[in-house]
Amino acid sequence: NAGVTQTPKFRVLKTGQSMTLLCAQDMNHEYMYWYRQDPGMGLRLIHYSVGEGTTAKGEVPDGYNVSRLKKQNFLLGLESAAPSQTSVYFCATSGFGYTFGSGTRLTVV
Amino acid sequence: GEDVEQSLFLSVREGDSSVINCTYTDSSSTYLYWYKQEPGAGLQLLTYIFSNMDMKQDQRLTVLLNKKDKHLSLRIADTQTGDSAIYFCAESIVTDKLIFGTGTRLQVFP
Repeated sequence: NAGVTQTPKFRVLKTGQSMTLLCAQDMNHEYMYWYRQDPGMGLRLIHYSVGEGTTAKGEVPDGYNVSRLKKQNFLLGLESAAPSQTSVYFCATSGFGYTFGSGTRLTVV
Repeated sequence: GEDVEQSLFLSVREGDSSVINCTYTDSSSTYLYWYKQEPGAGLQLLTYIFSNMDMKQDQRLTVLLNKKDKHLSLRIADTQTGDSAIYFCAESIVTDKLIFGTGTRLQVFP
């Protein structure tokens, strides 16, 4: 039982490149979330999903897109990466409290 | 509005007690949580308290809730170097939505 798995764990992008972060869960949870964590700013919600086929904007959605084609997967896309998107990205699902993945450390140069 | 506040840093000596404080603004919170984040890892649920309780103890952890003042605290007894981490409090206002504080970095020194 893996819980919440994020891939990749690390990535370096050049400005303007695109990439997709994958979050996979095996807990059959309906709700899934993408956060970014920056020093001194805690966790900021980017986008979330309340079920398969649904997505909604969080606190800081600009520059990101998401898709939830299957219940167990929640994808976060960066179409044209910018240095301001250098951060650690966490996926979470909602059961009792949240269950978090181990994070993706993204550097945009 | 929704806001959860924590101090950014706490430094304690090994063996002492640590107290991490949190204030929240929404009195309708149902559950309040404490998460621990070790270096390079995600957040892990440490403990929680239901809003109709004022104290919960779990081994070295004691959670105190003052609903009147909207104040939550986490006490760690006999703090060890392995307790060094960032601690986040979070409030649950509606089902499946948590509001997180900014996190308190606990440093334990020998």
